[in-house]
Amino acid sequence: EPEVTQTPSHQVTQMGQEVILRCVPISNHLYFYWYRQILGQKVEFLVSFYNNEISEKSEIFDDQFSVERPDGSNFTLKIRSTKLEDSAMYFCASSEAGGNTEAFFGQGTRLTVV
Amino acid sequence: DAKTTQPPSMDCAEGRAANLPCNHSTISGNEYVYWYRQIHSQGPQYIIHGLKNNETNEMASLIITEDRKSSTLILPHATLRDTAVYYCIVRVAGNTGKLIFGQGTTLQVKP
Repeated sequence: EPEVTQTPSHQVTQMGQEVILRCVPISNHLYFYWYRQILGQKVEFLVSFYNNEISEKSEIFDDQFSVERPDGSNFTLKIRSTKLEDSAMYFCASSEAGGNTEAFFGQGTRLTVV
Repeated sequence: DAKTTQPPSMDCAEGRAANLPCNHSTISGNEYVYWYRQIHSQGPQYIIHGLKNNETNEMASLIITEDRKSSTLILPHATLRDTAVYYCIVRVAGNTGKLIFGQGTTLQVKP
């Protein structure tokens, strides 16, 4: 069964450093998403991406964050100048189409900022 | 997107049906009802979705009331592995597809 894969599974970084979280969406999917979940809190939407551009972003997704689809298979989330409060699980998801098709999630990257 | 209301927690005996309710009284005509679950800290897992008709797949059944203001997710024979947080989400068809997660219902399946 096709699945969304994320790497690495766990990333530890120093405060102030930049990190890139990587995702390989399901191959025929056209919509891509990043979500995050701070420990003990809700899953929060960060950004959606379609046709090589951001289609929607939340207020969490400020200038510190950026997304890119550098080639035909990868979808990345870059976090610049990381802060302690960026520590969270980051989930990538993809769907075939928009709001009336299911989105499938990866297993997440646990980001720890120290 | 319409807001949903779910009980914070429920218990179910192993092998019995688990019925998880959700209220979405402000749902619009073009909004779908989606159910996801999250086992421990794993990625959310899609379960089922529907617009107005009842739906069934290999994992669960979704019963949507005629006025669409509430729905019930049914796991017909709950197992210990079904212990998870279950999220009911309403989502507009044709939008960017973002999902807005609430606190969900923590289902504890007990032996």
